[in-house]
Amino acid sequence: EAGVAQSPRYKIIEKRQSVAFWCNPISGHATLYWYQQILGQGPKLLIQFQNNGVVDDSQLPKDRFSAERLKGVDSTLKIQPAKLEDSAVYLCASSRGQGYNEQFFGPGTRLTVL
Amino acid sequence: GQQVMQIPQYQHVQEGEDFTTYCNSSTTLSNIQWYKQRPGGHPVFLIQLVKSGEVKKQKRLTFQFGEAKKNSSLHITATQTTDVGTYFCAGSDTGGFKTIFGAGTRLFVKA
Repeated sequence: EAGVAQSPRYKIIEKRQSVAFWCNPISGHATLYWYQQILGQGPKLLIQFQNNGVVDDSQLPKDRFSAERLKGVDSTLKIQPAKLEDSAVYLCASSRGQGYNEQFFGPGTRLTVL
Repeated sequence: GQQVMQIPQYQHVQEGEDFTTYCNSSTTLSNIQWYKQRPGGHPVFLIQLVKSGEVKKQKRLTFQFGEAKKNSSLHITATQTTDVGTYFCAGSDTGGFKTIFGAGTRLFVKA
């Protein structure tokens, strides 16, 4: 089975610019997660979708970050405007759904904000 | 809110030595998962523990879940250079819906 796909793999932008990341989860996986991983730290959950509904977005900086999962499949995460502290790897993961906690991660997008 | 803490933050071992990382939750968990992230890579699922006091083995790796379902450990016997990476625990709350990752333990193995 194909894994979680993410694009782009790398992105360099200047502060105050906008950026968007795309994720395609494993086919049939109901739950999709976006994480931010700063170098040397564990993944921090930004938002969790169950199908196309938001389950948890308590740590999403909603003044600048937004995410959507149209039709319960692909998802996009947007940052507008970006700050220097947003430099991190953005990981997308998917799982089969509630009761199936094993998460499959994509390769991530490394964002550098200058 | 729920917190998941991992110790140690780093561990340097000589190849062939054993290694253990510990995970502690501030709240009772429904289950705990362990992931490994190689340098430059993404987290890869290793195992999930669900039952109180559960012990599972994968070759040289032994995973334990505490009786109170608030702590867990990962033990590697006779480390190899291929074990290098960061090991994360991730605890799911009693609803099984929200999962929080620990900060990870980075393992360095010297040949």
